[in-house]
Amino acid sequence: EDQVTQSPEALRLQEGESSSLNCSYTVSGLRGLFWYRQDPGKGPEFLFTLYSAGEEKEKERLKATLTKKESFLHITAPKPEDSATYLCAVLKGGSEKLVFGKGTKLTVNP
Amino acid sequence: DGGITQSPKYLFRKEGQNVTLSCEQNLNHDAMYWYRQDPGQGLRLIYYSQIVNDFQKGDIAEGYSVSREKKESFPLTVTSAQKNPTAFYLCASSMVPQANYGYTFGSGTRLTVV
Repeated sequence: EDQVTQSPEALRLQEGESSSLNCSYTVSGLRGLFWYRQDPGKGPEFLFTLYSAGEEKEKERLKATLTKKESFLHITAPKPEDSATYLCAVLKGGSEKLVFGKGTKLTVNP
Repeated sequence: DGGITQSPKYLFRKEGQNVTLSCEQNLNHDAMYWYRQDPGQGLRLIYYSQIVNDFQKGDIAEGYSVSREKKESFPLTVTSAQKNPTAFYLCASSMVPQANYGYTFGSGTRLTVV
């Protein structure tokens, strides 16, 4: 069964305290792994897509990496405005449906 | 600007009522999806459609119905058979095959039973 597991469920950081969020997956024929950011009461917003092991993408304080079994979202020197829920999703071969993890709720305290 | 619009933002349902949530997109996307989001449970797929006049059940379709009469529109009806409808509902759309950004999401509708 296709599964996407995100950890931790919640993470509380001090401003400037770098950390990583994990997304592990078991899916055959990965076509892409997606990271989204979701603010309370809003729809998810696209951050990154990763396609193959070893790939990395960066945007401001965020860097996403991908291995054959998991992806990490690294947050460097976070600011309070980075507080949100971060969702990971995978797309497998032969399907157009994303399989989502349950998300990691990040809180960055000033 | 292209995007996906959900309305209303907040909706209140009385016991035994059917209610319809609207989802409209002007992105010329072929596929549209409805998700339900509850605290601690992530996104659960209700229904999806990859072409006009065709749709498939997702993981939690019981108590819900949809239609896809136009490419731009994919309304979701929450029927009285759905016993626990209070949740945040998200509509999404995508190209087929998927573009490199996956889904585009609407801003959501929060449904509350009163």
